[in-house]
Amino acid sequence: NAGVTQTPKFRVLKTGQSMTLLCAQDMNHEYMYWYRQDPGMGLRLIHYSVGEGTTAKGEVPDGYNVSRLKKQNFLLGLESAAPSQTSVYFCASSYSKAGQPQHFGDGTRLSIL
Amino acid sequence: AQTVTQSQPEMSVQEAETVTLSCTYDTSESDYYLFWYKQPPSRQMILVIRQEAYKQQNATENRFSVNFQKAAKSFSLKISDSQLGDAAMYFCAQTEDAGNMLTFGGGTRLMVKP
Repeated sequence: NAGVTQTPKFRVLKTGQSMTLLCAQDMNHEYMYWYRQDPGMGLRLIHYSVGEGTTAKGEVPDGYNVSRLKKQNFLLGLESAAPSQTSVYFCASSYSKAGQPQHFGDGTRLSIL
Repeated sequence: AQTVTQSQPEMSVQEAETVTLSCTYDTSESDYYLFWYKQPPSRQMILVIRQEAYKQQNATENRFSVNFQKAAKSFSLKISDSQLGDAAMYFCAQTEDAGNMLTFGGGTRLMVKP
């Protein structure tokens, strides 16, 4: 049972570089989410999607873009990485609204130099 | 944005004893859900327990139970018979925006002493 899979698990970028984080879920969930977790803090929502082809902004969306072209995939893009985006990124999915439990991936540790 | 506050950055408990982790939240919504998630050193986010705000009965899951005080906007987690494997960060979270979003507290680090 794969659940929610994030790739890559670890990445180092230079300031100004771009990259895409991939999240894939095999549970046929409608809702998908991207969070960031900074040291000593809780998770903060970046963007989310309520279904294929939809995206919406969360609490900290600046500097990130997302796409949900297929129901099972949710991509998070950094167009021009900044040191302030150094963080651990988590993807999650849920069957319906957030009243349903979210299933999380294992996280991606991203360092921007 | 709504806020979730965990006022205890760290807690410790003796193995087999009981510990309570505090959480307060702020919402203007009448229908919402509250969660406790566990994050061990492996970094996984594991659902511990869920409470529906319209239910007065406190949720329980084996050794884990909550004390949900809706009027006070308080949602504490009680862990009974603490085990070494309970050592982790614990995050309280609430839904907002009619359930579309989840807001997390800053976390409480629980240490379990053998």
